[in-house]
Amino acid sequence: AQSVSQHNHHVILSEAASLELGCNYSYGGTVNLFWYVQYPGQHLQLLLKYFSGDPLVKGIKGFEAEFIKSKFSFNLRKPSVQWSDTAEYFCAVNQRGGADGLTFGKGTHLIIQP
Amino acid sequence: KAGVTQTPRYLIKTRGQQVTLSCSPISGHRSVSWYQQTPGQGLQFLFEYFSETQRNKGNFPGRFSGRQFSNSRSEMNVSTLELGDSALYLCASRAGTGELFFGEGSRLTVL
Repeated sequence: AQSVSQHNHHVILSEAASLELGCNYSYGGTVNLFWYVQYPGQHLQLLLKYFSGDPLVKGIKGFEAEFIKSKFSFNLRKPSVQWSDTAEYFCAVNQRGGADGLTFGKGTHLIIQP
Repeated sequence: KAGVTQTPRYLIKTRGQQVTLSCSPISGHRSVSWYQQTPGQGLQFLFEYFSETQRNKGNFPGRFSGRQFSNSRSEMNVSTLELGDSALYLCASRAGTGELFFGEGSRLTVL
């Protein structure tokens, strides 16, 4: 069975600090990888996704993530966070080409202090 | 382009009752999936429908069921409600690229 582990449940940073949120997955096959964000009171939105190709993917709002196959990791990064980045971040995985649903991590609650 | 629409947004039920939630996917999307979000368990996959057929099902009891209509709209039903069913139920429609677009959810409270 697939599983996704997000290392940090709560992260507090100051504005302009750099961000890295860890995500590791457990699955033996070929996967699609996603990062979703849920701003307070809003629905889940896709930040970025990796299907194949360049393992460094860029998403919206200055976020990027790097797929490292040997480490089963897909860490999310942003060089300089803003107060508006305060949100819940979810890493997710599913089998490439499969019909199964997404397996989500438990989420990381990010708070940016002005 | 309208997003994923879920109704009702909020509802309160008592133990033993049943509930039906509705989801209208983005126009042109034929796949709809459902997720349960709770503080303790996070986001968990319930099931996915494509062309009125259930393609996959998560690890939930048979009290949780769903269906999809010919216009791709989907409903999920939970029978014999338990306190632990209190959650945000999210619907997502899948684009041809495989990307999921989520609705705002239906927040169910079971008393």
